[in-house]
Amino acid sequence: KQEVTQIPAALSVPEGENLVLNCSFTDSAIYNLQWFRQDPGKGLTSLLLIQSSQREQTSGRLNASLDKSSGRSTLYIAASQPGDSATYLCAVFNNFNKFYFGSGTKLNVKP
Amino acid sequence: GAGVSQSPSNKVTEKGKDVELRCDPISGHTALYWYRQSLGQGLEFLIYFQGNSAPDKSGLPSDRFSAERTGGSVSTLTIQRTQQEDSAVYLCASSLWPGLAGFYNEQFFGPGTRLTVL
Repeated sequence: KQEVTQIPAALSVPEGENLVLNCSFTDSAIYNLQWFRQDPGKGLTSLLLIQSSQREQTSGRLNASLDKSSGRSTLYIAASQPGDSATYLCAVFNNFNKFYFGSGTKLNVKP
Repeated sequence: GAGVSQSPSNKVTEKGKDVELRCDPISGHTALYWYRQSLGQGLEFLIYFQGNSAPDKSGLPSDRFSAERTGGSVSTLTIQRTQQEDSAVYLCASSLWPGLAGFYNEQFFGPGTRLTVL
């Protein structure tokens, strides 16, 4: 069974710092990997989707990379802002039509 | 059009009662997923529908859980004889179906239904 792990579980940084969130998965037979943010009391917001054939995707201050063979993805956030405070989840969509989610990294960006 | 919608947003019920949770996917999305997020836990896949194909029910935690999708659009998740451990946020998501190699299946989530079983 696919297992998705996110490290760290929580992270607190001062505003303006660049930071990296990590995601690892045990089964490299994936179609794609998706990063989400979850705000308290709200649903999930999709941030970036990386197809299995891609190495990275960028959107604004966010950059996600994928190394399928080693089972790793990173989400890089540049020049962090207090509004970035949320829980960040990664999910892999595997070749058996299932999504597996990590337990998330709770990010707090201090003003 | 609008995003994925779910109703009700909150549901409080007594142990042993049945509940129905509704999901309206984005128009044109053929794939629909149900997840739940229990307090302090990650997201757990429950069931997935793709078009008119038989749903993948492998994630349903017990036979008290069932789901249907009428007309390839709206879905209802039903929990019979609710237990306290069923208390969670139930999230629905929809996506286009790629047909090939996982393209276009970015998932879009609804706001969730918070279920509390007393």
